[in-house]
Amino acid sequence: KNEVEQSPQNLTAQEGEFITINCSYSVGISALHWLQQHPGGGIVSLFMLSSGKKKHGRLIATINIQEKHSSLHITASHPRDSAVYICAVRLGWEYGGATNKLIFGTGTLLAVQP
Amino acid sequence: DTEVTQTPKHLVMGMTNKKSLKCEQHMGHRAMYWYKQKAKKPPELMFVYSYEKLSINESVPSRFSPECPNSSLLNLHLHALQPEDSALYLCASSQGRVRGASDTQYFGPGTRLTVL
Repeated sequence: KNEVEQSPQNLTAQEGEFITINCSYSVGISALHWLQQHPGGGIVSLFMLSSGKKKHGRLIATINIQEKHSSLHITASHPRDSAVYICAVRLGWEYGGATNKLIFGTGTLLAVQP
Repeated sequence: DTEVTQTPKHLVMGMTNKKSLKCEQHMGHRAMYWYKQKAKKPPELMFVYSYEKLSINESVPSRFSPECPNSSLLNLHLHALQPEDSALYLCASSQGRVRGASDTQYFGPGTRLTVL
């Protein structure tokens, strides 16, 4: 079992729909990142969370530390949101010197159709 | 400037060639990373440099040789690669603060490597 699990693996939505991508993890973390990668492209960091909720434009990210779960929401989705969304966690201090390391989920491929 | 640049964007090399990938950042970050990403897979960490010293080597074959000549530059020297090494190679940097949560990694656009 992966330490970071994402669901769904693939998601197709119509333009304007509200989208939710989920991430569950099984390790102690100091932070959780949501990343976006367009096909063939580099990675853009969307959010870094250690608690609560963050909002940037149409994107909202939440995290529940007790339940070891995070969600990424996209409101009023648009075809330009089509990309792979990756959840990655930064290990907590209990893992000693490994805390620079990110553990990645397998990603969610989102396709938003016009 | 929140940009990590990588050169070249694309590289095709034979199994006997020697080539280098270059990564540069001018954000004053003291941690730099090399990742390898195969198609439809998440990135896999290869190396981490912290304050110009190699701090993590994820059991990467010796045909990949990292180098951090200064705090802004990170190179990955390639020699005698195999076709299965074809992938997107991503560089990232972060402030390098180990304690505390906020150490966001900024990623470069990657170098698409093809080994023939």
